[in-house]
Amino acid sequence: QKEVEQNSGPLSVPEGAIASLNCTYSDRGSQSFFWYRQYSGKSPELIMFIYSNGDKEDGRFTAQLNKASQYVSLLIRDSQPSDSATYLCAVLSGGSYIPTFGRGTSLIVHP
Amino acid sequence: DAGVIQSPRHEVTEMGQEVTLRCKPISGHNSLFWYRQTMMRGLELLIYFNNNVPIDDSGMPEDRFSAKMPNASFSTLKIQPSEPRDSAVYFCASSTTTGLTGELFFGEGSRLTVL
Repeated sequence: QKEVEQNSGPLSVPEGAIASLNCTYSDRGSQSFFWYRQYSGKSPELIMFIYSNGDKEDGRFTAQLNKASQYVSLLIRDSQPSDSATYLCAVLSGGSYIPTFGRGTSLIVHP
Repeated sequence: DAGVIQSPRHEVTEMGQEVTLRCKPISGHNSLFWYRQTMMRGLELLIYFNNNVPIDDSGMPEDRFSAKMPNASFSTLKIQPSEPRDSAVYFCASSTTTGLTGELFFGEGSRLTVL
């Protein structure tokens, strides 16, 4: 069974700090990795995706992938209170169209 | 463009009643997913359709749950009879297999409360 694990948190960081969110996965055949953000009472929305080992940067967000260690992380630089949300990691195995979601990490950015 | 549209947004019903949730995917998307989200279990896949055909329904809890997609622009998830443990937020999501695979566009969800 494919599993995606995340620390449920909450992860609390001060405004302006770097927030680091981590995710591990069990299926070595996984090829695509996604980070979704979900505000309270809202639906998930995609903010980052990564396919290759290494870092991928988009504005204040950096996704990091290490396939050998089977983990993917999301760094949020200069965290803002508006970043407070639950971040869901999703993993897609090769040949599949169905992503497996982790349970999410709650992030709180306090002023 | 309109996103994924779900109805109703909120549903409160009594145990034993039938519940029907509806979804209109984004036009042109050929994949449709029904997910259920709870605090305890997170986001769980119930069923996945591709080109209106159910491909993976292994997440459907039991015979009380059924889903249909009669055409490319409409899907329903039915629970009959409903039970209190079915209380959750039900999300419909759509995507395209020709675009960024794995990028799901979610509706706003249907919050179901079964008393």
